[in-house]
Amino acid sequence: EVQLVESGGGLVQPGGSLRLSCAASGFTFSTYSLNWVRQAPGKGLEWVSYISTSGSTIYYADSVRGRFTISRDNAKKSVYLQMNSLRAEDTAVYYCARDGRVGGYPYGMDVWGQGTTVTVSS
Amino acid sequence: DIVMTQSPDSLAVSLGERATINCKSSQSVLYSSNNKNYLAWYQQKPGQPPKLLIYWASTRESGVPDRFSGSGSGTDFTLTISSLQAEDVAVYYCQQFYRTTNTFGQGTKLEIK
Repeated sequence: EVQLVESGGGLVQPGGSLRLSCAASGFTFSTYSLNWVRQAPGKGLEWVSYISTSGSTIYYADSVRGRFTISRDNAKKSVYLQMNSLRAEDTAVYYCARDGRVGGYPYGMDVWGQGTTVTVSS
Repeated sequence: DIVMTQSPDSLAVSLGERATINCKSSQSVLYSSNNKNYLAWYQQKPGQPPKLLIYWASTRESGVPDRFSGSGSGTDFTLTISSLQAEDVAVYYCQQFYRTTNTFGQGTKLEIK
């Protein structure tokens, strides 16, 4: 079964740090790009970050650039999100999502994890 | 960034009736190299992650019922549910992946009338 499982969420104080992990199974991890997408309580979806298959290409949303770092370990079939200088507005469910490709062209995020909850509060 | 605007914000439709959700992008998401619109639709039910329904504006993801269809090109897109079923109650999002900084619409909440 194709699966993504996030972990590492929790309660953290403003200004603190947290590292999220996303473990993949059921597909050839090294051949897919990955994304982190978040959803604040009662709000819509916000794309956070993207990492290419090798990790050589990385993008961030303006709201997290300079504070968050995405990385991956293809040997461990995992992608990570290091979150520093956390703010109350970073409170959200964080999803890991696979970038689907057909014939080499992207077609959206075709596999999603169940999410891990990050709460930033004093 | 490309801004995605959905309408309406919420919608109530009777069972068996048609539901239509619109999505407008602030610039074209038509990729000239393959003539594909880099526009996807997702369904999110309470307590669940989003599920990809439609990609390239009009291609149904595997396993998605054929009552779901997508149309449009360039900057204007539509998701149509031809005959609403109870299990279709959800929030629907459009997303552009034309730019590397993906953006989602604000979501449309679909309910039963």
